[in-house]
Amino acid sequence: GQNIDQPTEMTATEGAIVQINCTYQTSGFNGLFWYQQHAGEAPTFLSYNVLDGLEEKGRFSSFLSRSKGYSYLLLKELQMKDSASYLCAVLSHSGGYNKLIFGAGTRLAVHP
Amino acid sequence: DVKVTQSSRYLVKRTGEKVFLECVQDMDHENMFWYRQDPGLGLRLIYFSYDVKMKEKGDIPEGYSVSREKKERFSLILESASTNQTSMYLCASSPGDGSSYEQYFGPGTRLTVT
Repeated sequence: GQNIDQPTEMTATEGAIVQINCTYQTSGFNGLFWYQQHAGEAPTFLSYNVLDGLEEKGRFSSFLSRSKGYSYLLLKELQMKDSASYLCAVLSHSGGYNKLIFGAGTRLAVHP
Repeated sequence: DVKVTQSSRYLVKRTGEKVFLECVQDMDHENMFWYRQDPGLGLRLIYFSYDVKMKEKGDIPEGYSVSREKKERFSLILESASTNQTSMYLCASSPGDGSSYEQYFGPGTRLTVT
């Protein structure tokens, strides 16, 4: 079956670094997305990894290891506005189509 | 900027009612999706469409149907609403030309069925 695991909740301090892990078991792997979702709002795109390694984009970085079925999202210099849910989603090719399979999300609380 | 809009932010319906949720995107995307989002379960795919008049079942299609008569519009229909369909419903779209698999989401409709 298809399975994506990520921690339910995390807390961190403003200015610190936090790493949100995601492990997955899926068929037809075609890449991994991270989305940010503030309470009551739409998910917004953060990153897409299809090859192994680290992708850096400002304060956010995302890492992928396909052989280990593992990804993480790294947030540096945390700000209060980073308090949100972070969704890990695998792009899976199956039945002739690409579909996103989402984890349950990690709710991050940043405190002063 | 890609814009995906949904007809209502909040909706309250009674059990047994027929419910229509509308989604419109303005970026000429081929692909459109309907998800529901529940605490602890994440986003689950209900139906998707890769072309006008085309639809495919997602992971949880039971109790739902969809319609795509025009490229920019994708409707989700609850034929006879039930309390277990109380949820946040999110629509998304993405290009169909392989240039990007990123999905752009609408603001969501919080549906309560009483």
